[in-house]
Amino acid sequence: EDQVTQSPEALRLQEGESSSLNCSYTVSGLRGLFWYRQDPGKGPEFLFTLYSAGEEKEKERLKATLTKKESFLHITAPKPEDSATYLCAVPTPRRFQGAQKLVFGQGTRLTINP
Amino acid sequence: KAGVTQTPRYLIKTRGQQVTLSCSPISGHRSVSWYQQTPGQGLQFLFEYFSETQRNKGNFPGRFSGRQFSNSRSEMNVSTLELGDSALYLCASSLAQSGAPYEQYFGPGTRLTVT
Repeated sequence: EDQVTQSPEALRLQEGESSSLNCSYTVSGLRGLFWYRQDPGKGPEFLFTLYSAGEEKEKERLKATLTKKESFLHITAPKPEDSATYLCAVPTPRRFQGAQKLVFGQGTRLTINP
Repeated sequence: KAGVTQTPRYLIKTRGQQVTLSCSPISGHRSVSWYQQTPGQGLQFLFEYFSETQRNKGNFPGRFSGRQFSNSRSEMNVSTLELGDSALYLCASSLAQSGAPYEQYFGPGTRLTVT
């Protein structure tokens, strides 16, 4: 069964203290990986899509990378507004052309203290 | 461009009742997926609709059903509500125009509380 595991479950950093979040997966035939950010009481907000091992994407203080077994979300010099739960998800193999089902990790709850 | 909208935002229902949730996707998006989010299980896939056809379904009982209309708007229905159905129900829309993995854009969710 396809599984996505994120670590740590929670992370508390001081403003400006860089760190990385991990997303490991077991899925047959990885077709891509998504990162989302979710604020309390809101729906997930799309951040990145990574399609193949070695790919990297950046957005402001965030950089996502992908290997054959895991993905990392690096946060450089974070600010309090970066506090949120970060979710990764992988699309499972299609039953038929075009269909997609996302399997999500449990998320990492990130808190940035000023 | 307007984002994904979901109505209502909050619902309180009693065990045994049924409920219908509504989702309007981003203009031009033809795929709508539904997810259930709970503290214990996280985000779990319910089903996906594309051009009024259900083309993928998660591991939920038959009490959970959905449909999509010709304007891509979607509804999901839960019958005979149980306490365990209390959750945030999220709708996500996407273009889904190719076979490649496609980004899904989420709405704010409907918070359902079953008492």
